[in-house]
Amino acid sequence: GAVVSQHPSRVICKSGTSVKIECRSLDFQATTMFWYRQFPKKSLMLMATSNEGSKATYEQGVEKDKFLINHASLTLSTLTVTSAHPEDSSFYICSAKAGADFEQFFGPGTRLTVL
Amino acid sequence: DAKTTQPPSMDCAEGRAANLPCNHSTISGNEYVYWYRQIHSQGPQYIIHGLKNNETNEMASLIITEDRKSSTLILPHATLRDTAVYYCIVRGFGNEKLTFGTGTRLTIIP
Repeated sequence: GAVVSQHPSRVICKSGTSVKIECRSLDFQATTMFWYRQFPKKSLMLMATSNEGSKATYEQGVEKDKFLINHASLTLSTLTVTSAHPEDSSFYICSAKAGADFEQFFGPGTRLTVL
Repeated sequence: DAKTTQPPSMDCAEGRAANLPCNHSTISGNEYVYWYRQIHSQGPQYIIHGLKNNETNEMASLIITEDRKSSTLILPHATLRDTAVYYCIVRGFGNEKLTFGTGTRLTIIP
């Protein structure tokens, strides 16, 4: 299958700082990317859907000003957690799909710890 | 999309077939059944999907009942590396989103 990477794989930051997570499709053009959050022992929860070149669509309850998503190219989407707090500590996972294809390819995830 | 129900956990002996059930009694005609799995601290991995016919690929087989209200994912010869959380997801044709439930935590026992 196609490969999706995330960077960094782990990040620890201080409360109040902002953290940027990158999601890249390595061998295909991702017209749509998805961002998920997963708390310990819980399932994945979709945060937002982004299409290349347009604004992201956020799920209900997800603050768009806190979780900034940019999908400026067909191979890169970024999630910035602004003014991070300890409750934002979680496993953030992206996925990507190409055009009308059904299959989403998932990245390996980024573990964020806010102290 | 229709809701799915899966047992929270299952064990299977290494080398045996692992049969993971999923109930989706409210599934509608244009909704597909997808299976993903998530190994600890990794992103989910696609396994297989189907509409109404049984499907098989190099990873698994998917058996869908004739009334489509339930399905079973079969891993024919389970290995220790198959230990993961398995998610059964119902998704309508054209719907981009995947809604993950709580899944089944499958443990393969040596």
